[in-house]
Amino acid sequence: KQEVTQIPAALSVPEGENLVLNCSFTDSAIYNLQWFRQDPGKGLTSLLLIQSSQREQTSGRLNASLDKSSGRSTLYIAASQPGDSATYLCAAPTDSWGKLQFGAGTQVVVTP
Amino acid sequence: DGGITQSPKYLFRKEGQNVTLSCEQNLNHDAMYWYRQDPGQGLRLIYYSQIVNDFQKGDIAEGYSVSREKKESFPLTVTSAQKNPTAFYLCASSYREPDTQYFGPGTRLTVL
Repeated sequence: KQEVTQIPAALSVPEGENLVLNCSFTDSAIYNLQWFRQDPGKGLTSLLLIQSSQREQTSGRLNASLDKSSGRSTLYIAASQPGDSATYLCAAPTDSWGKLQFGAGTQVVVTP
Repeated sequence: DGGITQSPKYLFRKEGQNVTLSCEQNLNHDAMYWYRQDPGQGLRLIYYSQIVNDFQKGDIAEGYSVSREKKESFPLTVTSAQKNPTAFYLCASSYREPDTQYFGPGTRLTVL
């Protein structure tokens, strides 16, 4: 069974620093890996989806990498801003129909 | 605007009552999902449906029931058999193949 882990559980950085968020998964035969953002009391917002055939995916200040051999994905957020404060979750499908296994998330605080 | 709606935003239930949470999508997605989120934990899958009139149990289906009579709608009933129903409930949808899941804003259920 796919297991997804995110370490650390919480992270605080000063504004302007680059953020590096880690995600580990146990089954390297994944279809894709997804990164989401969740603000307090809100639903999830999709940030990036990396297909299994890709090594990385970029959107604006966000860049996500995928290394299936080591079972790791990393989300980079360049030049962090206070508005980036949120919980970031990664998730990997457990089957071909898209059932997702989520990590517990990393809570990020960007201080002005 | 295309998207997923959930209602109500807040729901209070007395012991022994059944309650139904609504989830509607106009994205023309085939697959729909229900997740439960508890504080400090990742999302756990309750039920999912890949096509109309078909659904499967997720990891924590006990005490819950669903129906999928229309493509756009996937209501979740929390029955009195669910021992600890207080949680944040999130509905999501996607195309059939493993693809980006889009989430609704969530329903916070509290048992009084």
